[in-house]
Amino acid sequence: QKEVEQNSGPLSVPEGAIASLNCTYSDRGSQSFFWYRQYSGKSPELIMFIYSNGDKEDGRFTAQLNKASQYVSLLIRDSQPSDSATYLCAVTLSGSARQLTFGSGTQLTVLP
Amino acid sequence: GAGVSQSPSNKVTEKGKDVELRCDPISGHTALYWYRQSLGQGLEFLIYFQGNSAPDKSGLPSDRFSAERTGGSVSTLTIQRTQQEDSAVYLCASSFSILSNQPQHFGDGTRLSIL
Repeated sequence: QKEVEQNSGPLSVPEGAIASLNCTYSDRGSQSFFWYRQYSGKSPELIMFIYSNGDKEDGRFTAQLNKASQYVSLLIRDSQPSDSATYLCAVTLSGSARQLTFGSGTQLTVLP
Repeated sequence: GAGVSQSPSNKVTEKGKDVELRCDPISGHTALYWYRQSLGQGLEFLIYFQGNSAPDKSGLPSDRFSAERTGGSVSTLTIQRTQQEDSAVYLCASSFSILSNQPQHFGDGTRLSIL
């Protein structure tokens, strides 16, 4: 079992729709959770982070964390073609809290 | 600049040569991290620095890899006797502190190609 798992996709949504990206993690002691966006050929760009159970909203983005079920999700409202990218879930695991452990990423395409 | 700066942006070298990659973190960030991303692979952690100290070097793939940081700022990652499997994008990130809740911000990376 991978430590951080994401559905690789591709996930396609029409422009204006809500895109839902999911991530599960194996370490119940994980503490911090991050979402990065990576455009093709570019480096990861931090878009959200969450530490506590519940929802955290920032503009069109909402991160949701459920530690009991060990999943974290990212919702993108009013999706735009410019949101088309690979979304990486990253977790600081309890045994290695100084580094980020990444999922393999979900490729999102927003269709005009 | 305000972000993490890496150089060179691209490096092509022959197998067996040594290469040195440089990272200049965001000003004021005490923690610095190196990752690599291979084609079709996820992001793989290599090493982190708290100040000039690297407490855990277990993420480095082999003893051909080494890294140092001086003055609590610039870091260099050195790969000796490069092999084709070293071809990857090497990414540097920095954060305000080493605490696990501190977001890491990435540079643009160095794309390394070993012929």
